[in-house]
Amino acid sequence: NAGVTQTPKFQVLKTGQSMTLQCAQDMNHEYMSWYRQDPGMGLRLIHYSVGAGITDQGEVPNGYNVSRSTTEDFPLRLLSAAPSQTSVYFCASTLLPPLAGGELFFGEGSRLTVL
Amino acid sequence: DAKTTQPTSMDCAEGRAANLPCNHSTISGNEYVYWYRQIHSQGPQYIIHGLKNNETNEMASLIITEDRKSSTLILPHATLRDTAVYYCIVRVANGGSNYKLTFGKGTLLTVNP
Repeated sequence: NAGVTQTPKFQVLKTGQSMTLQCAQDMNHEYMSWYRQDPGMGLRLIHYSVGAGITDQGEVPNGYNVSRSTTEDFPLRLLSAAPSQTSVYFCASTLLPPLAGGELFFGEGSRLTVL
Repeated sequence: DAKTTQPTSMDCAEGRAANLPCNHSTISGNEYVYWYRQIHSQGPQYIIHGLKNNETNEMASLIITEDRKSSTLILPHATLRDTAVYYCIVRVANGGSNYKLTFGKGTLLTVNP
């Protein structure tokens, strides 16, 4: 049971480069989301999706794009990386309500450094 | 979602109970209280949640006050592996398409030998 899988675990980019952080889950979860975590800031929601073909913005969406073509995958794209996007990124998924709990399952994180 | 207030940090002796408080004075009647924790460099992990009644599972107990304006997460016998940042979150469980789970800064619990 793989759960939520993020790749890559580590990445170094130069300013202006583009890249995609991959997130896949094998639990048939409708809901998927991306968070970033910076020192002293806690977790901040970037984008989320409630199903294939549906995405929405979170607290800090600028500079990031997402798409949801399948239930399993929710990639996060940085079109032109900036040093301010240096962070640890977490993908999370869950079954949608009305099931009780709605426990979020997190991946192990992707550590991105933009020089 | 209602805002929460947690202490920045707490210490606990190994083997003793750790009691982590959370204030959520603006909580609505249909909002649940969730607790997650994050061990250093790992993804957050779900611990427990509740609405009105006290809840217990294999990891912890959740005590919610009668007016629901505050709650306490209890780790009955803290171990060194429980050292982590603990997040208290309140949100509507049946949020439909507005399913935004907002994390604050949490409480850093340090369990000392």
